[in-house]
Amino acid sequence: DQQVKQNSPSLSVQEGRISILNCDYTNSMFDYFLWYKKYPAEGPTFLISISSIKDKNEDGRFTVFLNKSAKHLSLHIVPSQPGDSAVYFCAASAMLRGGSEKLVFGKGTKLTVNP
Amino acid sequence: DSGVTQTPKHLITATGQRVTLRCSPRSGDLSVYWYQQSLDQGLQFLIQYYNGEERAKGNILERFSAQQFPDLHSELNLSSLELGDSALYFCASSPDRTTGELFFGEGSRLTVL
Repeated sequence: DQQVKQNSPSLSVQEGRISILNCDYTNSMFDYFLWYKKYPAEGPTFLISISSIKDKNEDGRFTVFLNKSAKHLSLHIVPSQPGDSAVYFCAASAMLRGGSEKLVFGKGTKLTVNP
Repeated sequence: DSGVTQTPKHLITATGQRVTLRCSPRSGDLSVYWYQQSLDQGLQFLIQYYNGEERAKGNILERFSAQQFPDLHSELNLSSLELGDSALYFCASSPDRTTGELFFGEGSRLTVL
């Protein structure tokens, strides 16, 4: 059961244009959402996050939008740069009973930004 | 550099063998997480430790075990290895029990022949 889905395995955009990466989730218990970026031969690095009480969070060229009713979030990168070429993972977390937490990742979307 | 150190970076072994992957979290981080990334798969959560105690368990096989030591480093033990265990194993750490921003190591690539 895949609770966090990134339906596009890859995305290609031109430098300077907007990149939109999408993510859907099924578990309504998730209350915190994150995006990670991963370059080859490196571990994932945190990019941006959003709490379920917000619908938008912006950090420079990166903006994450959350639509709770649709259980959908998206990451917008504008303008896109060749250095943004990487695999982007969407992740969602929920606090569980007993104090443990659950952080679930999607399969990732490979973004290629062409010069 | 995330501050999380994983060793070894690469490991090749045969089916039926046992290996141990090691992780040193960022200084001061109490939580350690282990993830598995197989080909075309996302990051599958295996297990989390917080200050030496198991905190959460994911899709970890019975052939796999982990522990966190008093100095907070962690080891993931994989035994009776099968071809399908070939994957990238990531360790991540965070300061406290709250998930959110995890700091990942560069991963240990395990190849089972």
